[in-house]
Parts: sequence; structure tokens; C-alpha cells
Amino acid sequence: EVQLVQSGAEVKKPGESLKISCKGSGYGFISYWIGWVRQKPGKGLEWVGIVNPGDSDTRYSPSLQGQVIMSADRSISTAYLQWSSLEASDSAMYFCARALWFGNTYYFNHWGQGTLVTVSS
Amino acid sequence: SYVLTQPPSVSVAPGKTAQISCGGDNIGSKSVHWYQQQPGQAPVLVIYYDSDRPSGIPERFSGSKSGNTASLIISRVDAGDEADYYCQVWDRSSDHWVFGGGTKLTVL
Repeated sequence: EVQLVQSGAEVKKPGESLKISCKGSGYGFISYWIGWVRQKPGKGLEWVGIVNPGDSDTRYSPSLQGQVIMSADRSISTAYLQWSSLEASDSAMYFCARALWFGNTYYFNHWGQGTLVTVSS
Repeated sequence: SYVLTQPPSVSVAPGKTAQISCGGDNIGSKSVHWYQQQPGQAPVLVIYYDSDRPSGIPERFSGSKSGNTASLIISRVDAGDEADYYCQVWDRSSDHWVFGGGTKLTVL
């Protein structure tokens, strides 16, 4: 069974750093890109970016480029999303999701349970 | 950047058919995928590649596309279908993923 298990909720202060994780199991971890999706309270889904666990290649949303860093450790089947200096506006639920290539397109066919990040002084 | 437009809300009576639209420039050249998100839960894929259904998704869920609009159709709606629905495409020209703004389906 394919599973993506994310790290637990975090409460941080502005300016602090943070790294959240997404561990894949039940499939060949390096064979599928892992995407990150942000959802601010009461708002819609927003694509953050995507990382290839095989070679650590990344793509970022233009609106978040430079604000976050994605990475992956293939040896432990885990993808990461990190911030060097959090802002209150980073408060959101963050989902990881496995991307599947089909025909001429990509979509997310498995999702993690989400990690709630709260940034408050 | 590419934009997908969805109505903020759709209401439907139980047993009736709900149709949720997703508009985008030249969407006919892209494959559209749909996700259902129940309150407090992660999204679930309900339609991929415009009209294909993942295993485990009821046949009541279908997808179509015409002109610059894709649609998610839910027949024989019941209270359990009340959720937020999002369309998504992969934009080949930018290699970016794009979500629509989401539609809240209310079952009256």
C-alpha cells in the first residue's frame, strides 16, 4: 500500500527555521516526483513545488521561489520542505503528494495527511 | 502564469446532478484532473486525464471537457459528496502545476 506520512504539527516564531518531512513507503520512492501543496486557513490549494527524489531536481512555484527549499533523502525515502526564516504568512497546512506521469500530464494520486505550520510571536 | 477559474460555490438537491466548471485558456490542449477535499482531510483524486476514474471512486463521478471549459459531474448527489472540489492541470510550457480556486459543493 502506498503511504506518505508527514511529520507532526509545528508552532514557531517569526524568524525561526523549520524543516518538515514526508516519508514514502509501499513503492519505489525514487521513481516518482514528490510535490508540496500549501493551504492557508479557509483558502484553496496552492502548488508550492516538486522534487525528484532520484536526482533532487526541483521545480518551484514562481510565488514561492526563494521562500522555501525542497530536498529529498533517497536513502530513507523522505522528502523535505524547509524555511530559513519563517514569517506569519507561512502559517498553513502543507501537504505532500506523489506525482504520477500519465499520457501527456502529471497529477497527484497519493497524498500525505498534512502538516500544520503555525508561525506566531 | 496559467490560471484556472472555478465558481466559488455550487448547490444541488439530494439525488440530483451537480456540475462544477473549470475554465482556462486553451484548456482543450491540457489534461484536467479533479480532487475532492472533505473538511479537515487531505485531497483525494476523483478524476484524472479529463474523464478517467481512479479505482474506488464511484461511477457517479465523471468528467468532461468542451471548448475552454472542463467539468466535473456528480450524479445522484448525496450528503457525503458535500466537499470542496479542485481542478488541476500541469502546464507543459512552464513545467508548473496549477490548481483552480476550488468550488464548495453544498447539498441542500
